[in-house]
Amino acid sequence: AQSVTQPDIHITVSEGASLELRCNYSYGATPYLFWYVQSPGQGLQLLLKYFSGDTLVQGIKGFEAEFKRSQSSFNLRKPSVHWSDAAEYFCAVFLGVTGNQFYFGTGTSLTVIP
Amino acid sequence: DAMVIQNPRYQVTQFGKPVTLSCSQTLNHNVMYWYQQKSSQAPKLLFHYYDKDFNNEADTPDNFQSRRPNTSFCFLDIRSPGLGDAAMYLCATSPRPVGRGRSDTQYFGPGTRLTVL
Repeated sequence: AQSVTQPDIHITVSEGASLELRCNYSYGATPYLFWYVQSPGQGLQLLLKYFSGDTLVQGIKGFEAEFKRSQSSFNLRKPSVHWSDAAEYFCAVFLGVTGNQFYFGTGTSLTVIP
Repeated sequence: DAMVIQNPRYQVTQFGKPVTLSCSQTLNHNVMYWYQQKSSQAPKLLFHYYDKDFNNEADTPDNFQSRRPNTSFCFLDIRSPGLGDAAMYLCATSPRPVGRGRSDTQYFGPGTRLTVL
């Protein structure tokens, strides 16, 4: 079955440190890939997306993600984390086969310590 | 400027008492989605409207219904809420179904947190 996996349920980093959140998908073809951020009690905000082309994608708030076909991964990175980045991060895929097959990963909760 | 608005933000209902959640949008998007997000879980798509065409996910319980009277509004009706229906309900919109255009993506509202007593 197709799926999207975020191996890390919770990550803690120090403010100013670098960050990498992992996302893997299992699907034969290359899906459309997204990263969303959700602050407590809020809806989801799109950080970035990959459809095709350059495999390194720049997003908002200083985030970037790299699509690696060989690893079926779409990891999110930020070189220097700010306290305001503390939130839940969701990777999502759109399979584009039939209907609206848009699936979210289970999320990674990010804590930023001073 | 609010683009996807959900009312109310917090809703409390009683077990078995019908409840309606509201979503409105100022983006004039053709597609509106409803997701259910339970605590510490990923959002799960319940259904979506593409214009007036209703698309139900295969595993969405019959207890959940939706209405879209016009482009701007979409409602989620839970006919007989159970304790297991307590969750955050997210509304989202997109110009076209995701994947049909490079620039298409979903815009989410802030969600309505439903409590069932």
